[in-house]
Amino acid sequence: QKEVEQDPGPLSVPEGAIVSLNCTYSNSAFQYFMWYRQYSRKGPELLMYTYSSGNKEDGRFTAQVDKSSKYISLFIRDSQPSDSATYLCAMTVGNAGNMLTFGGGTRLMVKP
Amino acid sequence: DSGVTQTPKHLITATGQRVTLRCSPRSGDLSVYWYQQSLDQGLQFLIQYYNGEERAKGNILERFSAQQFPDLHSELNLSSLELGDSALYFCASSVGTGGSQAYNEQFFGPGTRLTVL
Repeated sequence: QKEVEQDPGPLSVPEGAIVSLNCTYSNSAFQYFMWYRQYSRKGPELLMYTYSSGNKEDGRFTAQVDKSSKYISLFIRDSQPSDSATYLCAMTVGNAGNMLTFGGGTRLMVKP
Repeated sequence: DSGVTQTPKHLITATGQRVTLRCSPRSGDLSVYWYQQSLDQGLQFLIQYYNGEERAKGNILERFSAQQFPDLHSELNLSSLELGDSALYFCASSVGTGGSQAYNEQFFGPGTRLTVL
């Protein structure tokens, strides 16, 4: 079993829909939780990061972390065709190494 | 554009060969990370260097090695290549290493696509 599990999709939604993306993890030492967006044939780019449990909002994006359930979510409001990409969750324990452990990614398609 | 550069963009080679991938971090960043992205394994951490020294090691094969030079650029060397080594190889950089209770955002380069035939 992988440390971080993520439904690969694809997830297809109409433009304007609310999108919910999720990851579960098994390592309780993870403290920092990130969401990356990766367009086809490009490098991942950081969307948001959250420390420990709680919610964080940035424009149309909201990240939630529930450490008791080892579950994180990313919500995208008013989804746009330009949001079509693969979304990767990532986590780190925040020690001196700072190495990231990624989920497998969910492919999202927003149709006009 | 993240500011991290990687060369070459594409590399096609044969089994048994050796290749070198190059990464230049963002200006001011001291840490360089290497990741491998394949269809079956996803994005996996390989190795990290901070200011020329190895700081963390992940699932990196013994056939793979890396180093960070005084000018902070890094090279990933892959030898005795196998078909299964075909993947996207990403370099990322961050300002520091990350200490206890600290997080350093990692900026990813565009990647090198390696095809082993």
